[in-house]
Amino acid sequence: NAGVTQTPKFRVLKTGQSMTLLCAQDMNHEYMYWYRQDPGMGLRLIHYSVGEGTTAKGEVPDGYNVSRLKKQNFLLGLESAAPSQTSVYFCASSFRTGGVTGELFFGEGSRLTVL
Amino acid sequence: AQKVTQAQTEISVVEKEDVTLDCVYETRDTTYYLFWYKQPPSGELVFLIRRNSFDEQNEISGRYSWNFQKSTSSFNFTITASQVVDSAVYFCALTTTGTSGTYKYIFGTGTRLKVLA
Repeated sequence: NAGVTQTPKFRVLKTGQSMTLLCAQDMNHEYMYWYRQDPGMGLRLIHYSVGEGTTAKGEVPDGYNVSRLKKQNFLLGLESAAPSQTSVYFCASSFRTGGVTGELFFGEGSRLTVL
Repeated sequence: AQKVTQAQTEISVVEKEDVTLDCVYETRDTTYYLFWYKQPPSGELVFLIRRNSFDEQNEISGRYSWNFQKSTSSFNFTITASQVVDSAVYFCALTTTGTSGTYKYIFGTGTRLKVLA
């Protein structure tokens, strides 16, 4: 019963380094999302995907790239990390079927620090 | 555009008091869903409730209740007889099925609730 799994859980980077956060879900959900959470800012949508092979920009996409090559995986990449990208990142997935929109299922979060 | 406003940044109450967390939303779509999530100090996000725009009945689940009013675009959350374990950050969220922001789930900035023993 894994649900949504994020790796890694913690990471420290130096400015300019690159990294990829992996999100995997085992619920066969079509929709997947990446959010960042900063103090006082709530959860802000970075990118999302409505199906395998599709991606779209959210509220704060600059500095990030994503890919959805397989339905169960959604990757978030930082090509050149900046201190402003220090944050907690959450991946989520959801379903929409038969006219019903489901809630978001969240991973446990990944804490990223950029020095 | 979609927007969710949680004007209360932080609320402190004494145990056993009732507390209401406010959520005001904006959308031009007629079909939408509203959600509440709880984030305890451990950091995970816990789903509490989902409500669609066609169901304006209030809902009660134990000590939790939700008041949905389309006329004021509000979806408020009340905890009755609060307990220390209710201390957390609570988020309200909105998603629509219309053309404006379809598939996006937009969150408010959250309300931190502190319940004092």
